[in-house]
Amino acid sequence: RKEVEQDPGPFNVPEGATVAFNCTYSNSASQSFFWYRQDCRKEPKLLMSVYSSGNEDGRFTAQLNRASQYISLLIRDSKLSDSATYLCVVKNSGGGADGLTFGKGTHLIIQP
Amino acid sequence: NAGVTQTPKFRVLKTGQSMTLLCAQDMNHEYMYWYRQDPGMGLRLIHYSVGEGTTAKGEVPDGYNVSRLKKQNFLLGLESAAPSQTSVYFCASSFSFEQFFGPGTRLTVL
Repeated sequence: RKEVEQDPGPFNVPEGATVAFNCTYSNSASQSFFWYRQDCRKEPKLLMSVYSSGNEDGRFTAQLNRASQYISLLIRDSKLSDSATYLCVVKNSGGGADGLTFGKGTHLIIQP
Repeated sequence: NAGVTQTPKFRVLKTGQSMTLLCAQDMNHEYMYWYRQDPGMGLRLIHYSVGEGTTAKGEVPDGYNVSRLKKQNFLLGLESAAPSQTSVYFCASSFSFEQFFGPGTRLTVL
């Protein structure tokens, strides 16, 4: 089983709609969780951390379900500029400096 | 601050040639990383460093060597390039959990 799994998409969503996607992880000892955003032919950038209590930043909401080992990202009132690939990232316990595991990403396309 | 910079941005090599990719960061980060990103494979860690003078192997280290002689620089070397090393290479640095990435180097090995 892959450590971090995401639906690659693409998710085609009309502008203004709400979109959500999940990520599952296999290591129950994973400590920290993040969503990174990667634009086409650009480097990944941290979008937000995912806390046990959930985390909201403007139109973006991230949630963690430790029992089912998945994290989710919800985007409300989607904008054309939200089109990107969203990477789920997990930090494993005891991983030290190399402890981040990246998912392959979910491709989101917001259509006008 | 320039953040993380990578040199060169693009390169085409012939099989068997060697080259060095340079990564530089001006954020005084201890940790630095080299990843490769291939279609359908996601980011895979090649080598990393937890401080000046130290390096360690990541998930896919074969065919690559690294050096961290100065805290701000992390070099990735390909001694004898192979077509399987055609990829986009990203360097990153971090202080804690957030990794800051460079713009990438697109390498093609013919």
